[in-house]
Amino acid sequence: DSGVTQTPKHLITATGQRVTLRCSPRSGDLSVYWYQQSLDQGLQFLIHYYNGEERAKGNILERFSAQQFPDLHSELNLSSLELGDSALYFCASSVGQGSEAFFGQGTRLTVV
Amino acid sequence: GQNIDQPTEMTATEGAIVQINCTYQTSGFNGLFWYQQHAGEAPTFLSYNVLDGLEEKGRFSSFLSRSKGYSYLLLKELQMKDSASYLCAVRDPPTGTASKLTFGTGTRLQVTL
Repeated sequence: DSGVTQTPKHLITATGQRVTLRCSPRSGDLSVYWYQQSLDQGLQFLIHYYNGEERAKGNILERFSAQQFPDLHSELNLSSLELGDSALYFCASSVGQGSEAFFGQGTRLTVV
Repeated sequence: GQNIDQPTEMTATEGAIVQINCTYQTSGFNGLFWYQQHAGEAPTFLSYNVLDGLEEKGRFSSFLSRSKGYSYLLLKELQMKDSASYLCAVRDPPTGTASKLTFGTGTRLQVTL
């Protein structure tokens, strides 16, 4: 158990819908990262938050947004969902910039 | 940006030694990580190199040459449970408090009897 908690574990929804994925980082970790992993694809970096502020953006679609709250948990919002958005979405946390990132178990999103 | 290359698949025999290579071309470098990922599960941290040389941790070792943009992960005394994907990731130099990992597509290792 990495200490990073993601909910829900599985999500099935229809095209055009909107979903919210939630992540609670390890106690004391200020950095939260979101990654997308499609079938047989590598982990694609989406966005990084540090202590409530957005710090870096990767290949994140405009239909996707995220935020980190004062209690340091983070949410990833995916809207106008398309079939191609079906993937595993991982959250990872780290103390800051100096150490390894610990991953949650992921949310498997299926868009039908 | 970062470009990371790893072999797609490898096969090795239980009890043997396997070396998984990773090459990278980056606009900046602040460390290289290896993660293990079983299918459908979270990546788990294996090793971290920021200086040249070999880091050993039990059955796993990782090597880095920054001048060559090259790393490898060495797995000894292979066990069936080592069948997994092995992900090489490069960390960008920090800009303020931002520092992300860029992952390669991973090497799928199959351990056979």
